[in-house]
Amino acid sequence: DGGITQSPKYLFRKEGQNVTLSCEQNLNHDAMYWYRQDPGQGLRLIYYSQIVNDFQKGDIAEGYSVSREKKESFPLTVTSAQKNPTAFYLCASSTLLTSGRETQYFGPGTRLLVL
Amino acid sequence: GDSVTQMEGPVTLSEEAFLTINCTYTATGYPSLFWYVQYPGEGLQLLLKATKADDKGSNKGFEATYRKETTSFHLEKGSVQVSDSAVYFCALNSGAGSYQLTFGKGTKLSVIP
Repeated sequence: DGGITQSPKYLFRKEGQNVTLSCEQNLNHDAMYWYRQDPGQGLRLIYYSQIVNDFQKGDIAEGYSVSREKKESFPLTVTSAQKNPTAFYLCASSTLLTSGRETQYFGPGTRLLVL
Repeated sequence: GDSVTQMEGPVTLSEEAFLTINCTYTATGYPSLFWYVQYPGEGLQLLLKATKADDKGSNKGFEATYRKETTSFHLEKGSVQVSDSAVYFCALNSGAGSYQLTFGKGTKLSVIP
């Protein structure tokens, strides 16, 4: 079955630690995205990538980093510079059209908690 | 900039009641509009979408019509079920090469038997 997988489902971070969230898709989509979701809030875009080895900052990129070495994979690192990392992180992917009509498909999410 | 405003929740309905969740937007371009649903502990699933004025998106008994004159995309369902309990997000993509979705804050729906 085609889809998006995220791992782990739960992740615990200690103070000063960097952690990496995994996102893999087998939908053959060119574009991938990372969103952060806080309770009672909508989703906010962290980073997105339209092509391998290229990515752009979203609205809340500070304290995060990404890489896109393979089309299928778009890992997100939450660095120690992110002072309030507790949130639900969602990865998404879509085809790459210019119309803006593309549907973004979401993974099941990773919940990050600070110890 | 782009923004989406949804009605505040939570919304509690009895089974078989009529559902409306209001959504209005502001956008710089000619946006595409989406409704996503999130069940507890899960990611978002596309519920329906509309890409031009007067289009009606529909899925699983849910409907929403793209109203450009009122900049609205209200979600409706004639008879809700307990299994419809979830958080519903309205979102837009302003188009013209933009890949960013702008989301509303979500509306939590609880359906009681």
